[in-house]
Amino acid sequence: SQTIHQWPATLVQPVGSPLSLECTVEGTSNPNLYWYRQAAGRGLQLLFYSVGIGQISSEVPQNLSASRPQDRQFILSSKKLLLSDSGFYLCAWRTSGHGEAFFGQGTRLTVV
Amino acid sequence: KQEVTQIPAALSVPEGENLVLNCSFTDSAIYNLQWFRQDPGKGLTSLLLIQSSQREQTSGRLNASLDKSSGRSTLYIAASQPGDSATYLCAGGGYNNNDMRFGAGTRLTVKP
Repeated sequence: SQTIHQWPATLVQPVGSPLSLECTVEGTSNPNLYWYRQAAGRGLQLLFYSVGIGQISSEVPQNLSASRPQDRQFILSSKKLLLSDSGFYLCAWRTSGHGEAFFGQGTRLTVV
Repeated sequence: KQEVTQIPAALSVPEGENLVLNCSFTDSAIYNLQWFRQDPGKGLTSLLLIQSSQREQTSGRLNASLDKSSGRSTLYIAASQPGDSATYLCAGGGYNNNDMRFGAGTRLTVKP
């Protein structure tokens, strides 16, 4: 069966520090991968999606970036965090652009 | 791009009631629509996926319908239980996109 792993679960980082969040999927090949951010009490904002290795589509201009170095690995990064980067970050996958989507358990990021 | 709206934002009902959650979308060319459940501080759990060629899907006490012509989907929960308390989100995507667009969610409280 397919599983998705996302870590860390919680993270407290100072302003200006770098960020690296990792997401891996098991049990499937060539998944579509997604990074979302959920601000407190609000809906999910799509940040990046990827349909293959090295293929990244960005939805929102910001100081975040994403990379897909391997088929089932998706990384969210920042060189210098801002206070506004605080939020709940969720990784998701699905087998195609139209298949059922499955989410990781999320990372709670607090920038102080 | 697809815009998704969920009404109401919050709903409180006594245990045992049947209830309906609403989801509206702007692009009738939607390819599929998925309903999720989110418990506080957790990731999203997939409930039901409706493909554009389908009109409804059922799982246990849950029934989701899709009306592309009117731009609406509903999630029907029968005989609600306190364990159903959570935030429910819907997400839709167009055929030419690989992303999913989310509504802000409906926070459901079922009182014992």
